[in-house]
Amino acid sequence: KAGVTQTPRYLIKTRGQQVTLSCSPISGHRSVSWYQQTPGQGLQFLFEYFSETQRNKGNFPGRFSGRQFSNSRSEMNVSTLELGDSALYLCASSLGISGSYETQYFGPGTRLLVL
Amino acid sequence: SQQGEEDPQALSIQEGENATMNCSYKTSINNLQWYRQNSGRGLVHLILIRSNEREKHSGRLRVTLDTSKKSSSLLITASRAADTASYFCATDEGGGADGLTFGKGTHLIIQP
Repeated sequence: KAGVTQTPRYLIKTRGQQVTLSCSPISGHRSVSWYQQTPGQGLQFLFEYFSETQRNKGNFPGRFSGRQFSNSRSEMNVSTLELGDSALYLCASSLGISGSYETQYFGPGTRLLVL
Repeated sequence: SQQGEEDPQALSIQEGENATMNCSYKTSINNLQWYRQNSGRGLVHLILIRSNEREKHSGRLRVTLDTSKKSSSLLITASRAADTASYFCATDEGGGADGLTFGKGTHLIIQP
């Protein structure tokens, strides 16, 4: 099976702009989770989608949003970008059936730089 | 919030030696997982141990879990240069409210 793919891999934006990142999960996986990784805060959970519904949400401002499509592909959007949003954004997919967080399969990440 | 805390933050050993990393967490968990990350890339799942398990093996990896002490350890035996990476523990607290909660990681360097 193909792994989790994320596009784009690298992105440079300026403050105030918005950005959309895409994640295609492993075929058959219905859960997609998003994480932000920064040197200072480490890996932090953004949100999880399962069957097109947001199932869980981390402690991030409303500027961070996401959605999931019927084919399980997911997008996350960050509006009004701030310098502190510069990070590696990782998505992870799993079967998600149990409702608990079993083995997660991560994509390569999108590295976002906000200038 | 950071639940898992790895120790040490960095570890440098010679190829062929064993590497041990520790993780502590704060609340009750469903499971604890270990992941590896190479140079800012995606994370690779190594092993999952459930709260009712005490030890698990996978190839050169051995993980232990002590729920009374809220701690886990990852042992990599006969290390190789390719094991150079950052290693993270991640906990599932149950209820799924915060996703997986990751520690800050241990950066392991294997000297040839």
